[in-house]
Amino acid sequence: DAGVIQSPRHEVTEMGQEVTLRCKPISGHDYLFWYRQTMMRGLELLIYFNNNVPIDDSGMPEDRFSAKMPNASFSTLKIQPSEPRDSAVYFCASSPSRGSYTGELFFGEGSRLTVL
Amino acid sequence: GESVGLHLPTLSVQEGDNSIINCAYSNSASDYFIWYKQESGKGPQFIIDIRSNMDKRQGQRVTVLLNKTVKHLSLQIAATQPGDSAVYFCAEGGRAGNKLTFGGGTRVLVKP
Repeated sequence: DAGVIQSPRHEVTEMGQEVTLRCKPISGHDYLFWYRQTMMRGLELLIYFNNNVPIDDSGMPEDRFSAKMPNASFSTLKIQPSEPRDSAVYFCASSPSRGSYTGELFFGEGSRLTVL
Repeated sequence: GESVGLHLPTLSVQEGDNSIINCAYSNSASDYFIWYKQESGKGPQFIIDIRSNMDKRQGQRVTVLLNKTVKHLSLQIAATQPGDSAVYFCAEGGRAGNKLTFGGGTRVLVKP
């Protein structure tokens, strides 16, 4: 079975440019998460969706970040304009519903972003 | 805010020995805990989980222990192998919509 698919795997861009990261969750999973990983801050939850609806975006750093989930099989995380401090590995993860309990997250391979 | 943390950032272990990775959590409302393994260049992978109504759970070569009294979680790896070299994260969650909070991670280095 295909896991969570992210693209691009690596992106190098210049400060001020727009960056779009993409994610295809595992089919049938109701939840989708965007995490950011840095050496300094570890794994931080940015935003998560349930049935394509954003539930908690309190981790989104600022207005330069936005995320969408137009359908059950696709999500984007956009940074506009990008800054060097946005350099990190961005992970997408999906999870099935497990009643009222948190379920296991399945992570993609990540998108490594470098902003020069 | 409440968070999940780790005692040891790096653990060096001899191949064949047992490893113990520790994690402290502060949110007493958390009732679900997971250990993830992250190899270089990859995303975190699920190892084992435990719910708060249990204090021990075993998998293949791994055991998770939960002590709710002192809010402590540990992962034991039996007969550590070179393939176990990775960063290990504990994460906590609860009933509120599948949200997991991750700890800072412990790097395990297996010496041959």
